[in-house]
Amino acid sequence: DAMVIQNPRYQVTQFGKPVTLSCSQTLNHNVMYWYQQKSSQAPKLLFHYYDKDFNNEADTPDNFQSRRPNTSFCFLDIRSPGLGDAAMYLCATSIDISGANVLTFGAGSRLTVL
Amino acid sequence: GQNIDQPTEMTATEGAIVQINCTYQTSGFNGLFWYQQHAGEAPTFLSYNVLDGLEEKGRFSSFLSRSKGYSYLLLKELQMKDSASYLCAVRDSNYQLIWGAGTKLIIKP
Repeated sequence: DAMVIQNPRYQVTQFGKPVTLSCSQTLNHNVMYWYQQKSSQAPKLLFHYYDKDFNNEADTPDNFQSRRPNTSFCFLDIRSPGLGDAAMYLCATSIDISGANVLTFGAGSRLTVL
Repeated sequence: GQNIDQPTEMTATEGAIVQINCTYQTSGFNGLFWYQQHAGEAPTFLSYNVLDGLEEKGRFSSFLSRSKGYSYLLLKELQMKDSASYLCAVRDSNYQLIWGAGTKLIIKP
């Protein structure tokens, strides 16, 4: 089945210790997104790639970086996690960014910062 | 600023009908989405409206009024598995998705 896969599902790290979260897709979608979602809050878009074009949200901290080495994979790097970065990180894909293009989400990576 | 308002939480009884409202104020409009999110899981797509009126999909229907900046999701014949958060999201004129915080729906037997 075509899908979006995130690894790891659960990540525990120490304050300041770098973390990398991965996302892979078999949908061959052009767009890949990274969202941060805290409990009972709306998903917050961190950045997205349209093919190789990187689009950073204005309020995304520099502590968050991303790489998309090819169509199928996208990584989220958190360089120095703080307690406030504990959240669910959702990867999503879509064919395009306009109109009725539906986002397909991965199962998420839950980050705990000790 | 851009804003989407949904009730924080609703409770309904198994077998009943519930309507979850969403009001929005965005820079332009290019469609409205409803997603379902079970606790600790990723959102899954439920419905999309771009024109005024009602879209029906089995037990779920979604309504849109662009002039009022208003949508609702109607769930019929509620089942226990419908206990989840329901997220409303609007695509604005820059094709950005603006998300609501979600409505947590609790179904009681």
